[in-house]
Formats: sequence, C-alpha cells, structure tokens
Amino acid sequence: EDQVTQSPEALRLQEGESSSLNCSYTVSGLRGLFWYRQDPGKGPEFLFTLYSAGEEKEKERLKATLTKKESFLHITAPKPEDSATYLCAVHPREVTFGTGTKLQVIP
Amino acid sequence: EPEVTQTPSHQVTQMGQEVILRCVPISNHLYFYWYRQILGQKVEFLVSFYNNEISEKSEIFDDQFSVERPDGSNFTLKIRSTKLEDSAMYFCASSEALPSGSFTDTQYFGPGTRLTVL
Repeated sequence: EDQVTQSPEALRLQEGESSSLNCSYTVSGLRGLFWYRQDPGKGPEFLFTLYSAGEEKEKERLKATLTKKESFLHITAPKPEDSATYLCAVHPREVTFGTGTKLQVIP
Repeated sequence: EPEVTQTPSHQVTQMGQEVILRCVPISNHLYFYWYRQILGQKVEFLVSFYNNEISEKSEIFDDQFSVERPDGSNFTLKIRSTKLEDSAMYFCASSEALPSGSFTDTQYFGPGTRLTVL
C-alpha cells in the first residue's frame, strides 16, 4: 500500500530561523512527488514537482529535494507569511497526500 | 493568471438529498480531478477524468458519486443521497499533461466547496 508520512506534524519557527520539513514515502513506482502549500479554508497551492532522486527545485525561500525514500522542503530565513500547512503528495497511480506539516513563523 | 473556480463556496444540505458541486477547470487543461478533505484530515483522492470518462477512482468513489463534463467548461461532482459523513471540503483540480502512462503533471486546485450535511 502506498504511504506518505510527513514530519513534524507542527513546527514553530522564529522569523529567520531556517529549518526542513520531511516527507517519507513508500510507493510502487513513483511518477512524481508534489509539494503544496495550504492556507486555512483554501485549496492546496502548487509549489514543486520532483520526478527523480537527486532532483532539486527552488522558489524564493523554499527548496525541495528528493531521494529514493524521502523528500525535504527546506525553508531558509522564513517570514510570517510562510505560515501555512505544507503538504507532500506522491503519484504512483492516484495521488496520495500526506497529513501535512503545519508551519507557524513567529515575527 | 488562469485558475480553477468552484461553486458554491458553501453548500448545506439535508441527509438523503442530492447535491451537485461545480467546477470550471483551467481552460487548456485536459485532466480533471475531485478530492475531498474532511475537517482536520488529509486530502483524499476521489476520481480523475479524462476524455469524457473516468480514468481512475478510489475506494471512496462508490455508486453514490458520479462525475460529468456537461459542456466544454464545467466539471461536476454529484453526490446522491448524502450522508452525514460526506461533510467535507471538496476540491476540484485540473492538469495540462496527457496521462501518457508515465506520469500525470502538476495539478492546480480550486478553492473548494464546503459541504455540510445535516
């Protein structure tokens, strides 16, 4: 059975304090790994798609990396507006989401 | 910037009633999806739709559910005889790439419809 596990469940950072979110996955035949940001009461907002181990993508203060078993979302010098729940999803056949990491950045 | 839209934003219905949730995908996208998110839980895949037929569906998507593309712009999810446990946020998504058998491209989500079944 395809599984996606995200850790930590919640993370509280001071503004400017860099950190990483983890997404561990077990799937049979990964087609793609997605990172999304979700604000309360809204739909997931696409951030990155990673397709193969060793791939990295960056967008502003965010950088996503991928290995054969996990992906990391690195947040460098976060700002309060980065506060959201970050979702990881994998696509073997159907897209399977993790439960997310709720990030709170304190000014 | 093109975006997926959904109506209504909030739907309240009585148990046993039928509801239709509507979505307008991004115009040049060919692949459409429905997901649901029960409050406090993870996003769950319901169904994907391509070329006027269901491509994949999850165990959640039973005979109570159906999808339709009634015209060139709308994509609908019908829930027959709603149950209390159907209360959730329902998200529509669309993607541009063809399901070539290797992967499905990035999915862009709408803002969701909050369904409340009383």
